[in-house]
Amino acid sequence: EAGVAQSPRYKIIEKRQSVAFWCNPISGHATLYWYQQILGQGPKLLIQFQNNGVVDDSQLPKDRFSAERLKGVDSTLKIQPAKLEDSAVYLCASSTGTGAETQYFGPGTRLLVL
Amino acid sequence: GENVEQHPSTLSVQEGDSAVIKCTYSDSASNYFPWYKQELGKGPQLIIDIRSNVGEKKDQRIAVTLNKTAKHFSLHITETQPEDSAVYFCAASKGSARQLTFGSGTQLTVLP
Repeated sequence: EAGVAQSPRYKIIEKRQSVAFWCNPISGHATLYWYQQILGQGPKLLIQFQNNGVVDDSQLPKDRFSAERLKGVDSTLKIQPAKLEDSAVYLCASSTGTGAETQYFGPGTRLLVL
Repeated sequence: GENVEQHPSTLSVQEGDSAVIKCTYSDSASNYFPWYKQELGKGPQLIIDIRSNVGEKKDQRIAVTLNKTAKHFSLHITETQPEDSAVYFCAASKGSARQLTFGSGTQLTVLP
């Protein structure tokens, strides 16, 4: 079974530029999560989707971050405009659905904002 | 909201020795506690988990214990090997949304 796929793996941009990350969850997984992992810290949840609906985006900085999962499968996370403090690894995870405990993580996208 | 504290932040052990990592949580409603291993350049990988109705769980060289009264849980790795070197994260979750709150991580180094 294929795991969670993410692209790109690395991205370097200058501050105030925009960037987008893509995630393809495990086939059949209804729940999708985006996490931000700053160097030396544990992952922090940004947004959770159930199919194509948002379950929780309370920790998403909505003035600059946006995310969508239009067809309930792939998801895109966008940052516009980027700030220096957005430098981090952006992890996507998926689980089978509501109440499912186990989350499976992708390899992450490492973002450096200069 | 939930707060998870993890100790120590770094841990070095000799190959063959045991390693113990401890976490405490704040929300008594949390009922699921996974442990993830993260190798350099990779995403976190689930290695073991425990639910609140169980006090201890073991899988080969890895075990986890849970004390609900004290709100802490621990990861035990026996007979450590160099390939166990990685960052380990504890986490807690509750409810149907199952959102994970992670600890700050422990860098485990197994010295040959």
